[in-house]
Amino acid sequence: GDSVTQMEGPVTLSEEAFLTINCTYTATGYPSLFWYVQYPGEGLQLLLKATKADDKGSNKGFEATYRKETTSFHLEKGSVQVSDSAVYFCALDDYKLSFGAGTTVTVRA
Amino acid sequence: DAGVTQSPTHLIKTRGQHVTLRCSPISGHKSVSWYQQVLGQGPQFIFQYYEKEERGRGNFPDRFSARQFPNYSSELNVNALLLGDSALYLCASSSRALAKNIQYFGAGTRLSVL
Repeated sequence: GDSVTQMEGPVTLSEEAFLTINCTYTATGYPSLFWYVQYPGEGLQLLLKATKADDKGSNKGFEATYRKETTSFHLEKGSVQVSDSAVYFCALDDYKLSFGAGTTVTVRA
Repeated sequence: DAGVTQSPTHLIKTRGQHVTLRCSPISGHKSVSWYQQVLGQGPQFIFQYYEKEERGRGNFPDRFSARQFPNYSSELNVNALLLGDSALYLCASSSRALAKNIQYFGAGTRLSVL
């Protein structure tokens, strides 16, 4: 079945560092791909999405490109802030969401 | 506009008991999905309901059941609770039960089974 493999954490960075979280997927069809973020004690918030190959999703300085040839959807941000500390989940959608295990990111001032 | 609301926020039960979790979707959304998130893992799909009918079911035992009401709110029921049912239960709503529809999540109900 459809599945997502996500880079394991935790990841600890200094403020203004570059962040990348790897995500690869396995799917029989052409799913939409998402990145969700979960702050401590909260539910999931949609960070960005891409619905077809070569689409680039972006939001709040985060970007991810839907790469069909490498079945990847890596998340990147050029300069992280302390407020970016959270758990990040890669997910694919074929009416239900299949999530990766999550990557905990801690940004230190 | 209110987002997805879930109640209660926290719940403590003992093994063998029954629990009911509630979810109100975003106004105008007709689809509700339930997910279980065990500590340290990604959410796992349990059910999806659309227009009061079950449209999808994940790999969970029959102890888990759900329903959707005419106002599109939903309940998740879990019978004969086990320690392993301790988790954050998330509800998500979307406008339709179709792929590529964005799902919006509530803050979840944290269930602890002792």
